Amino acid sequence: EAQLQQSGAEVKKPGESLRISCRGSGYTFSNHWIGWVRQMPGRGLEWVGIIYPGDSETRYSPSFQGHVTISADKSISTAYLHWNTLKASDTAMYYCAYDTLGYCSATSCPLVFDHWGQGTLVTVSS
Amino acid sequence: QSALAQPASVSGSLGEPITISCTGTSSDIGGFNSVSWYQQHPGKAPKLLIYDVTDRPSGVSNRFSGSKSGNTASLAISGLQADDEADYYCSSYSRSSTLKIFGGGTKLTVL
Repeated sequence: EAQLQQSGAEVKKPGESLRISCRGSGYTFSNHWIGWVRQMPGRGLEWVGIIYPGDSETRYSPSFQGHVTISADKSISTAYLHWNTLKASDTAMYYCAYDTLGYCSATSCPLVFDHWGQGTLVTVSS
Repeated sequence: QSALAQPASVSGSLGEPITISCTGTSSDIGGFNSVSWYQQHPGKAPKLLIYDVTDRPSGVSNRFSGSKSGNTASLAISGLQADDEADYYCSSYSRSSTLKIFGGGTKLTVL
């Protein structure tokens, strides 16, 4: 069964760094775009960014560009979301998801994320 | 403020149909056939219900259907069940965004 397994909940202080992970299994990890989504407490869904594990091409939402880094290690079928300097406003649930139904070209990227991880809760508090 | 406008909440009775709207512009919903709908139960990950405006992934009930008219997309649910009570999000490709954009979400209450 194809699935994404995310790392466990994290509690951090402002200014600390953090990397959360998302491991794929049951499908060809390198061949499918993976996306990260933020959901702040009681709020809606927001795209953070996407990565193609095959060549590590990455695209970010403007709201997150420069504050997070998305990476992937295809040798262990794992994608990562990394913060150098956490803020209290980073407190949220973070989901990874992968796409099998859409596509992404140089000019348009209408991906459809049909498989989701269970989420990683990140709490940033002093 | 979300780029796609959804009603904050809707309600319907068991067994009855209901429709959730998602309004954008000609730069997103109106310009492309790339609207998706997700269902999210409390404390759970989102689940894809509809993609490319009208298509259902395998395993999704045919009680869920999607459509589009102009700059507004709609999700219809027939024969409401208790388990349909959840949050629903639309998403669309946008000419002005690197990634797809989400609506603000609609909370469905089943009476």
